[in-house]
Amino acid sequence: RKEVEQDPGPFNVPEGATVAFNCTYSNSASQSFFWYRQDCRKEPKLLMSVYSSGNEDGRFTAQLNRASQYISLLIRDSKLSDSATYLCVVHNTGGFKTIFGAGTRLFVKA
Amino acid sequence: NAGVTQTPKFQVLKTGQSMTLQCAQDMNHEYMSWYRQDPGMGLRLIHYSVGAGITDQGEVPNGYNVSRSTTEDFPLRLLSAAPSQTSVYFCASSRKGLAGGSYTDTQYFGPGTRLTVL
Repeated sequence: RKEVEQDPGPFNVPEGATVAFNCTYSNSASQSFFWYRQDCRKEPKLLMSVYSSGNEDGRFTAQLNRASQYISLLIRDSKLSDSATYLCVVHNTGGFKTIFGAGTRLFVKA
Repeated sequence: NAGVTQTPKFQVLKTGQSMTLQCAQDMNHEYMSWYRQDPGMGLRLIHYSVGAGITDQGEVPNGYNVSRSTTEDFPLRLLSAAPSQTSVYFCASSRKGLAGGSYTDTQYFGPGTRLTVL
């Protein structure tokens, strides 16, 4: 079983739609959680950190459920520019072990 | 700031050749790391460094060497290239900090090196 698992998609949604991605992790000692965005043939870039209380950044909302060991990302009012691969990232402090999920591909269509 | 820079952007090698992928950052970050990205597998950590003179192995270190003589530079050496090392290589740097009451370490990635081994 992979340490961080994501639905690879692709998710095909129309502009203006709401879309949600889930990610599960297997190490209960994991301490930091992130969503990164990666455009085609580009480097990953931090989209947002994920905090225990949940956090929002504009149209993006991230949630963490430690009991069930999953992280979610909600994108509201999707834009064409949101088309990318979204990477779930888990970091285990105290060993510098960062695990990337394989990514979920999103296509937003006009 | 240039951020994280990597050279070369593209490279083709023959099996058995050696080469060094260069990585530099100008953000004075303590942590630097090398990842490889293969289709359907996500990024996998090759080697990392928590400061000048300190390196350690990641998930897939075999066939690669690193050194960290300065804070800014973290080169990755392929000792004897194999077709299985065909991949996209990303260098990243980060600095630990606190955000929202938890430790976090945003990683900043270079643009990547696309390596093909024939």
